[in-house]
Amino acid sequence: QLQLQESGPGLVKPSETLSLTCTVSGGSISSSSYYWGWIRQPPGKGLEWIGSFYYSGSTYYNPSLKSRVTISVDTSKNQFSLKLTSVTAADTAVYYCARAKPPIAVEIWGQGTLVTVSS
Amino acid sequence: QSALTQPASVSGSPGQSITISCTGTSSDVGAYNYVSWYQQHPGKAPKLMIYDVSNRPSGVSNRFSGSKSGNTASLTISGLQAEDEADYYCSSYTSSSTVVFGGGTKLTVL
Repeated sequence: QLQLQESGPGLVKPSETLSLTCTVSGGSISSSSYYWGWIRQPPGKGLEWIGSFYYSGSTYYNPSLKSRVTISVDTSKNQFSLKLTSVTAADTAVYYCARAKPPIAVEIWGQGTLVTVSS
Repeated sequence: QSALTQPASVSGSPGQSITISCTGTSSDVGAYNYVSWYQQHPGKAPKLMIYDVSNRPSGVSNRFSGSKSGNTASLTISGLQAEDEADYYCSSYTSSSTVVFGGGTKLTVL
């Protein structure tokens, strides 16, 4: 059964870069026709799509975050990563990695990891 | 892109039916049959309940159904049960090849 696990620092300083990795187990990132990506949820608030990539290589980002976001993939490690630059307190959220049936049905979620932006 | 519009809260008694609306635009909900609905209990990751407007993933109760008319999608839960109390989110594919979520609806089972 495919599982996703987020990892990375739980505390990031303002203006620095948030970096998270999603490790995929029980299946391969590159062997199937799925979208893989990141979604976040500020404490007590709703879900926000950050971005995703298709197994063939196309990447898509939320327009409101596009200038600060990079999603990359390491197929040799069966991992994909999120980098968000110049973070502020508004970026404090639970970050989920996810797999979606094309194009948007997120059928598998990671457990989520809380990232707090604070000095 | 603007978030899809959902009511902040809905409520119903056990056994009743409720409907949650999700209003977008002709560039997202109205443009494609790619609307999904998620259920989220406190402290848990969301769970996919409906995809492609009206399809249920394996294992999801047939008490959950989805539909769409124009720029508005709807999630209906029939035969309300206590365990249905949760937050519900809609999402849609957009003409920019991105994804937009609704603000979420808190369902209270009275």
